[in-house]
Amino acid sequence: GESVGLHLPTLSVQEGDNSIINCAYSNSASDYFIWYKQESGKGPQFIIDIRSNMDKRQGQRVTVLLNKTVKHLSLQIAATQPGDSAVYFCAEIGSGGGADGLTFGKGTHLIIQP
Amino acid sequence: KAGVTQTPRYLIKTRGQQVTLSCSPISGHRSVSWYQQTPGQGLQFLFEYFSETQRNKGNFPGRFSGRQFSNSRSEMNVSTLELGDSALYLCASSYGSGSQLAKNIQYFGAGTRLSVL
Repeated sequence: GESVGLHLPTLSVQEGDNSIINCAYSNSASDYFIWYKQESGKGPQFIIDIRSNMDKRQGQRVTVLLNKTVKHLSLQIAATQPGDSAVYFCAEIGSGGGADGLTFGKGTHLIIQP
Repeated sequence: KAGVTQTPRYLIKTRGQQVTLSCSPISGHRSVSWYQQTPGQGLQFLFEYFSETQRNKGNFPGRFSGRQFSNSRSEMNVSTLELGDSALYLCASSYGSGSQLAKNIQYFGAGTRLSVL
């Protein structure tokens, strides 16, 4: 989910388990959604995207689900590995395209326990 | 293909000074966007440049400015630095074609960490 200020929501999972990271968005006109992963000391890295005319998209070990009715997005990571530890952001682009930049959520810190 | 390159990686400045940050986009990308990232506010959009023109601007004071060169490289400038400007400044590039949303996927550099003392 989302949070305010310094207190990023944290999700701690055991290595090998599946994890689900949630994101709520507010703009019903958003047409395109992206998940980014940010490791410590690095910039955000593109993981997977989904258009508003889809409700599910799968990548390698990751699945994004989109529920437009409740304006909710989730990222599922299967069989988590230590390298999955990072902050995950959802981002949205409005129907006008990317001219106004991405609108990012606050992020969720995923911690993989050995 | 080389990724987005930002220089310098780290900067320490004092209040009142000005600073210039540089970004080289991925080859072929014409859009460059700048973001400020802080623990308190998260990732915030500063501005976007496309074909040497500022295409959009976030809600930041006029002390924050930028430009883009004909080779798509971009610089951002912050004048009269304040303590609150301490942040990670991220640059992202994309093809920037508004009508083809997949071409708007932004690829980020590692950022410039600015500390204002």
